[in-house]
Amino acid sequence: GENVEQHPSTLSVQEGDSAVIKCTYSDSASNYFPWYKQELGKRPQLIIDIRSNVGEKKDQRIAVTLNKTAKHFSLHITETQPEDSAVYFCAASNYGQNFVFGPGTRLSVLP
Amino acid sequence: DTEVTQTPKHLVMGMTNKKSLKCEQHMGHRAMYWYKQKAKKPPELMFVYSYEKLSINESVPSRFSPECPNSSLLNLHLHALQPEDSALYLCASSQEGWGYGYTFGSGTRLTVV
Repeated sequence: GENVEQHPSTLSVQEGDSAVIKCTYSDSASNYFPWYKQELGKRPQLIIDIRSNVGEKKDQRIAVTLNKTAKHFSLHITETQPEDSAVYFCAASNYGQNFVFGPGTRLSVLP
Repeated sequence: DTEVTQTPKHLVMGMTNKKSLKCEQHMGHRAMYWYKQKAKKPPELMFVYSYEKLSINESVPSRFSPECPNSSLLNLHLHALQPEDSALYLCASSQEGWGYGYTFGSGTRLTVV
């Protein structure tokens, strides 16, 4: 089955700096890769996703890149703000339904 | 309506109790899910319903029993739970097909005493 690794497990950045979180997956058949943000005590919320037929996707300060050959994808957050502090989970799936989540990255943005 | 609604938000139950968690969505999503999340861990899949039929059961103990009465509702019936079952139980829904993310509910925080 699919296995998703995520690094780093914790990340601290100064406000205004960029943050990068990387995930690797094992199943070459996986073709959809969402990213979720979970604030303390709240639900995971989808922030950006990418399908395997696309190499990069951007939404304002957030971008995701995918390297299918190397089987890894990354989340990039630019101009970080304190409200970006949360746990971020990557996930991988093969034609939907069963998402396998990475272990999570705790991002702290220091003012 | 773009939300998944879960009730109750908090539940404390004894090991001999029977209780149910409820989940509702009105987005027309035909796939619905139950996930379990322990503190500082990612969500773990329990069950998937597709068009009101159980399509995935991730070897969940029988003390957890899912039910999908219609396309908008998903229940999780709990019986004879153990303290290690204490967790946040998340319901989610999504459109069928490739490349649709989940919409999660806010969860039920369950404590088994």
